[in-house]
Order: sequence, then structure tokens, then C-alpha cells
Amino acid sequence: KQEVTQIPAALSVPEGENLVLNCSFTDSAIYNLQWFRQDPGKGLTSLLLIQSSQREQTSGRLNASLDKSSGRSTLYIAASQPGDSATYLCAISNTGANSKLTFGKGITLSVRP
Amino acid sequence: NAGVMQNPRHLVRRRGQEARLRCSPVKGHSHVYWYRQLPEEGLKFMVYLQKENIIDESGMPKERFSAEFPKEGPSILRIQQVVRGDSAAYFCASSPPAGREKLFFGSGTQLSVL
Repeated sequence: KQEVTQIPAALSVPEGENLVLNCSFTDSAIYNLQWFRQDPGKGLTSLLLIQSSQREQTSGRLNASLDKSSGRSTLYIAASQPGDSATYLCAISNTGANSKLTFGKGITLSVRP
Repeated sequence: NAGVMQNPRHLVRRRGQEARLRCSPVKGHSHVYWYRQLPEEGLKFMVYLQKENIIDESGMPKERFSAEFPKEGPSILRIQQVVRGDSAAYFCASSPPAGREKLFFGSGTQLSVL
């Protein structure tokens, strides 16, 4: 059974800092891994999707890496801004389709002006 | 995540009543997924549907919960005889037929059971 862990549960950083959010998983036989952002009272927005055969994906100030052998993924946020404040969720699919994603509990990020 | 519409946004029910949650996927998406987010817990998969078919319902409680995605109209998650433990945020997501694409989530329905 896949288990996804995100530690710490909360993080507070000053504006402008580069930061790394961690995600670990127990079953390395994954199909893909996604990082989502969730704002209070809102749905989830997919930020980056990494297929099993890929090592990283980049979008703007965001970079996500995947190391299946160690069961880890990281989301790197460059030059953080107050608008980056949200909860960041890591989710894994172990099957061929995007069904039954296993989510971590998320990391709540606060970027102080 | 534009395009996945869930309603109502907030739903209040008394114990024993029925709750019906609706989800209209992104236009052209034929796959719908329901997830539940309990307080202090992560999102948990409930059910995966395609038009007129339930593909995977391994996350659905065995009793009181049902889901459908008819040929016409939105997907419906139905909870009969609600109990306080059903209070949660229920999220719907959709994806195109390819299945490798990113999921698009709705804003969720917050169910409160009094």
C-alpha cells in the first residue's frame, strides 16, 4: 500500500527565499507524481506532473524532481513571494491512468512580506 | 482547474437526511473522480467513473454512498442517511480520455452534518 509523507506540515519563510518542499513515498513502482497547490476554500491546481521515466519538470519558478530509488520528490520554489502562500500537496498514481491518486497531507507554506 | 463545476459549494444536512453532490467536468472530459478531505487528513480517493460506468469504487464506503456519471448531465455523489462523520470537503476532478494528463479539480463541496 502506497503511503505518502510530507514533512514538515507547515513552513514559514521570508519573501525572496529559495525553498524546498519534500515528499517521500513507500512504493517506488509509481506511474506518475504530481504536485498540487491548494488555496483556502478552493480546489486543487496541478502545478507539475512527472512521469515515472522522468527525473524533473520545470515551470517558471517551480522545479520538481523525482528519485524513485530513494522514494523522494522535491518541489523547489525560487525567489518565493507572498502569493506563493498556500498548501502544497504531493500525489502519486501507481496505475496506468490518473485514478486513485494517493495524497500526502500537504505542507502549508507562508511567505512573509 | 477552470471548468470543473461543483455545486453546491456548501451543504448543510441533519443526521439521517440525504446529501446529493453534483459535479460537471471540464467540457470534453470523460473521466470523473471523487475525493474526500476529512479535517486534519489528506485527500482520500473514493471513486472513479467514466460515462455510465463505475471503473473503480474501492475507496467508497460500502454502505450509504453511491456515485453515478450518466450519459447526459453531471456526475452525482449521493450519501444517504448522513452521519456527523460524513462532514468533510468533497472534491471532484476530471481528466480527458488519454489518462496521462493532469487532473483538473473543482472547488469542492463542504458538507456539514448537524
